[in-house]
Amino acid sequence: AQTVTQSQPEMSVQEAETVTLSCTYDTSENNYYLFWYKQPPSRQMILVIRQEAYKQQNATENRFSVNFQKAAKSFSLKISDSQLGDTAMYFCAFFNAGNNRKLIWGLGTSLAVNP
Amino acid sequence: DVKVTQSSRYLVKRTGEKVFLECVQDMDHENMFWYRQDPGLGLRLIYFSYDVKMKEKGDIPEGYSVSREKKERFSLILESASTNQTSMYLCASSSPQGWGTEAFFGQGTRLTVV
Repeated sequence: AQTVTQSQPEMSVQEAETVTLSCTYDTSENNYYLFWYKQPPSRQMILVIRQEAYKQQNATENRFSVNFQKAAKSFSLKISDSQLGDTAMYFCAFFNAGNNRKLIWGLGTSLAVNP
Repeated sequence: DVKVTQSSRYLVKRTGEKVFLECVQDMDHENMFWYRQDPGLGLRLIYFSYDVKMKEKGDIPEGYSVSREKKERFSLILESASTNQTSMYLCASSSPQGWGTEAFFGQGTRLTVV
């Protein structure tokens, strides 16, 4: 069975600095997607960034980028130039493209951006 | 703009009541999900549906049932609410094709059972 582990329950960072959130996963599949979702205090979960396993290039979305290490089964999220609006819970999620149904979620990392 | 709408933001119910949580999506998605979110436990899947009138149990289905009579609507039912069902409930939808594996979420329903 696939699992997703986020080893940092809480993190904090100063505004304008860079922070990296870690995520590891376990799977024997080769075709899958990885996601980072953000849940601000208002509670609506939104997608931050996604990565297809067969793409070697790391995904980037503005200030958000990932370090995808397929052999190590690691998928960390880097937030550059942190802003107060980045304060949120961040969830790492795994989707097995061969089982086209549901996401496997990590327990989340609570990130606080301090002024 | 894609949208998943949950019928209530906050709900207070009494123990033993039958509770309906409604979720509607306007994206014509095949897949719909109900999650429960508790501090320190992340998101736990209760039920999901990949087609009208189809449903599958998730990780914690006990005490819950679901209904999907129309593609856009997925209802979560607590047959007899108990205090241990006090939680945040999140509905989500997704398409099974390609990039559509992104899940879109509703705003959540904070349910308190007293």
